[in-house]
Amino acid sequence: GAGVSQSPSNKVTEKGKDVELRCDPISGHTALYWYRQSLGQGLEFLIYFQGNSAPDKSGLPSDRFSAERTGGSVSTLTIQRTQQEDSAVYLCASSLARRSEQFFGPGTRLTVL
Amino acid sequence: TQLLEQSPQFLSIQEGENLTVYCNSSSVFSSLQWYRQEPGEGPVLLVTVVTGGEVKKLKRLTFQFGDARKDSSLHITAAQPGDTGLYLCAERNSGGGADGLTFGKGTHLIIQP
Repeated sequence: GAGVSQSPSNKVTEKGKDVELRCDPISGHTALYWYRQSLGQGLEFLIYFQGNSAPDKSGLPSDRFSAERTGGSVSTLTIQRTQQEDSAVYLCASSLARRSEQFFGPGTRLTVL
Repeated sequence: TQLLEQSPQFLSIQEGENLTVYCNSSSVFSSLQWYRQEPGEGPVLLVTVVTGGEVKKLKRLTFQFGDARKDSSLHITAAQPGDTGLYLCAERNSGGGADGLTFGKGTHLIIQP
């Protein structure tokens, strides 16, 4: 079956602009996760959804970052007023249930000029 | 959430050689996962270790969990160019509604033909 898909695969934006990144999880997976991977910091957890609710937002680095999930499926990560330090690969993962194996998408590479 | 230290950071060896990479923490792991990530893709789960002293084998890969559950190692026998990638260890976040994974910064492995 289809894996986790993310779009766009690459995004170049100017400092100060808003961006939206999309994640389509594996069908039937109730848990969804966003991570960020950068050269200096490695792979960092951002937020976790169970269904449409987000019981763990502890990894969001600032209030410029937000995410939503609708219909228990697609999720969007929004970064407002982007900064150069937001440049990274943003990875999405889904799992059948909380604490089951996570399956990762290929990521969106975000470059803020 | 504890800090996971991986070593070495980079490793480049010839095809056919053996190698070991490490993941350590000052605190006890509840369980530990090893992932492999190739360029342009998300991490893929290789194994989960739970019990102190546990050894798991996956073809030429041998994973060991320390008796005190504070360290783990991945040993590759007769490395092949297809083993090239970023090897990450990770622990699941816990407490309250928390979920998601905390990753080490990884070992970049290059196997030269």
